[in-house]
Amino acid sequence: GAVVSQHPSWVICKSGTSVKIECRSLDFQATTMFWYRQFPKQSLMLMATSNEGSKATYEQGVEKDKFLINHASLTLSTLTVTSAHPEDSSFYICSAGPPTGTYGYTFGSGTRLTVV
Amino acid sequence: AQTVTQSQPEMSVQEAETVTLSCTYDTSESDYYLFWYKQPPSRQMILVIRQEAYKQQNATENRFSVNFQKAAKSFSLKISDSQLGDAAMYFCASSYNNNDMRFGAGTRLTVKP
Repeated sequence: GAVVSQHPSWVICKSGTSVKIECRSLDFQATTMFWYRQFPKQSLMLMATSNEGSKATYEQGVEKDKFLINHASLTLSTLTVTSAHPEDSSFYICSAGPPTGTYGYTFGSGTRLTVV
Repeated sequence: AQTVTQSQPEMSVQEAETVTLSCTYDTSESDYYLFWYKQPPSRQMILVIRQEAYKQQNATENRFSVNFQKAAKSFSLKISDSQLGDAAMYFCASSYNNNDMRFGAGTRLTVKP
């Protein structure tokens, strides 16, 4: 149980275009999902907290207009990188949960974004 | 605010030996959770072990165990009988009231055959 699916696994896009990343909880309902960014050989940095049916809460320094988050259902959150630039290239990971009666979060497999 | 510190950027262990990864944290909360995650080259985050702060007994999961020192705010991970498959980045993390998780900088573990 507690499986989180993240798609796509990797994506290459041109500068100026937008890219959408999906995060789905497959066997449980996730009222809260989190989006992280990870640079090579570094730790995970929390970008935003996504709550079902409400606006996301962004961490300080994260541009909310560039990183659009939508959590329209209890099983799906999306991160859209708008007007992508090469500096947005990174590894993005979502987490969801916890399932009822547990603690801790399950992570998606991550998305490697390359902007050319 | 929660902060998590891992002071060992890299560690190395001989196969079948035991290694301990260090982690300290700082929180003003009384209800919190602590975790160790493993991130292999695939970059999938895998939960290794977790601990509820109100529990005094150290958590164990097969070859993995923790030494939780609440007063010292220390949460170290011990890996016994190390295997080649244990080689990975290990991240210590804390979570308050099942909210967002904050991570340490990570420790890269190498297992020598």
